[in-house]
Amino acid sequence: AQRVTQPEKLLSVFKGAPVELKCNYSYSGSPELFWYVQYSRQRLQLLLRHISRESIKGFTADLNKGETSFHLKKPFAQEEDSAMYYCALSGARSAAGNKLTFGGGTRVLVKP
Amino acid sequence: DAEITQSPRHKITETGRQVTLACHQTWNHNNMFWYRQDLGHGLRLIHYSYGVHDTNKGEVSDGYSVSRSNTEDLPLTLESAASSQTSVYFCASSVRGSSRQFFGPGTRLTVL
Repeated sequence: AQRVTQPEKLLSVFKGAPVELKCNYSYSGSPELFWYVQYSRQRLQLLLRHISRESIKGFTADLNKGETSFHLKKPFAQEEDSAMYYCALSGARSAAGNKLTFGGGTRVLVKP
Repeated sequence: DAEITQSPRHKITETGRQVTLACHQTWNHNNMFWYRQDLGHGLRLIHYSYGVHDTNKGEVSDGYSVSRSNTEDLPLTLESAASSQTSVYFCASSVRGSSRQFFGPGTRLTVL
């Protein structure tokens, strides 16, 4: 079974402060990890995927297989980062497709 | 532009009624998914399809059904709506073999 845990339901930070959203997973194989973001009244959109090793909107995330974590970080939070963030895992992959398992989500509030 | 749409965007219904939520995508994606979003639970998979005439149960499929008669559409039916099915429902699609999913705008369903 695969499971994703986001221990913080709410993170409140001031503009310019660093922000780190925690994501821990359990999966016996080699997972593919994602971060999705949902801005107010908008649909979910992909922010990062670990295989891309890219930085989007100043966010980075590193897959740590030893600690089974995929934490999302940004050194200087901006007010426009206020949103709901979901960590997601894709486990067993097939030629047809791959299901995602989502964490419970972390709401980020960046205060001016 | 290709996209994924959901209708209606808001629906209020009564307990016991049958309700169908529509999902339509124009990307020609093989894979389509239905999730429900609830506070504290994140997104949970209801049903998914990897192609025409293929449907599979997800994590929380009881009380829901889907059918896939063409590539573009995956309607979600609540056979007999219950108050516990009050939620926001998201449809998503992905390319065959890919884990990256693209989400619709969501349908807010209230069952009174």
